[in-house]
Amino acid sequence: QVQLQESGPGLVKPSETLSLTCTVSGGSISSYFWNWIRQPPGKGLEWIGYVYYSGSTTYNPSLKSRVTISVDTSRNQFSLKLISVTAADTAVYYCARAGMVRGLDYFDYWGQGTLVTVSS
Amino acid sequence: DIQMTQSPSYVSASVGDRVTITCRASQGIGSWLAWYQQKPGKAPKLLIYAASSLQTAVPSRFSGSGSGTDFTLTITGLQPEDFATYYCQQADSFPVTFGQGTRLEIK
Repeated sequence: QVQLQESGPGLVKPSETLSLTCTVSGGSISSYFWNWIRQPPGKGLEWIGYVYYSGSTTYNPSLKSRVTISVDTSRNQFSLKLISVTAADTAVYYCARAGMVRGLDYFDYWGQGTLVTVSS
Repeated sequence: DIQMTQSPSYVSASVGDRVTITCRASQGIGSWLAWYQQKPGKAPKLLIYAASSLQTAVPSRFSGSGSGTDFTLTITGLQPEDFATYYCQQADSFPVTFGQGTRLEIK
């Protein structure tokens, strides 16, 4: 059974960088697209972007200038960096797996989510 | 971006009822649509993909239909564990987008 687990600081200061890691267990990170999705408190879901196991990426244009997603296949992990954060970036951040063939796909495995609060 | 609009935003129903939730895309997306269930404090769970395919281990009381711009999620014979928020998601073009959610509550 594939499991995903997010880790990283729960509190980030405004203008600083949000950094999260997702560790994949129970399966290989190879051959799939690995995504970050966020959900502000009480609101809906926003797709941030994905990284393929090869390292190729695609980002949501609304965040593209601030986001970097990378993969470390040796550790079965992928990571999110979001620079210059503001209070609007406060959200539960989820990592999720999509399909094997196309980056545009459905999300069949999700992490439990981690709340990141942006505040001084 | 493709806008996904769900209706209603809120629905109240009783155990055993049949409920239908609608999702409309701002442009045609073929059958590239999924439905998710989210309970408070939990990650979304994939229920339906490709508009009408039931994800493994999801009860058969959940069903999906539609293509193009109009889609529905139907729950037949509501169970207590079905009270949650439901989201649709399009996978036709980047960026991936979700509906705003439909909250299903117990009457």
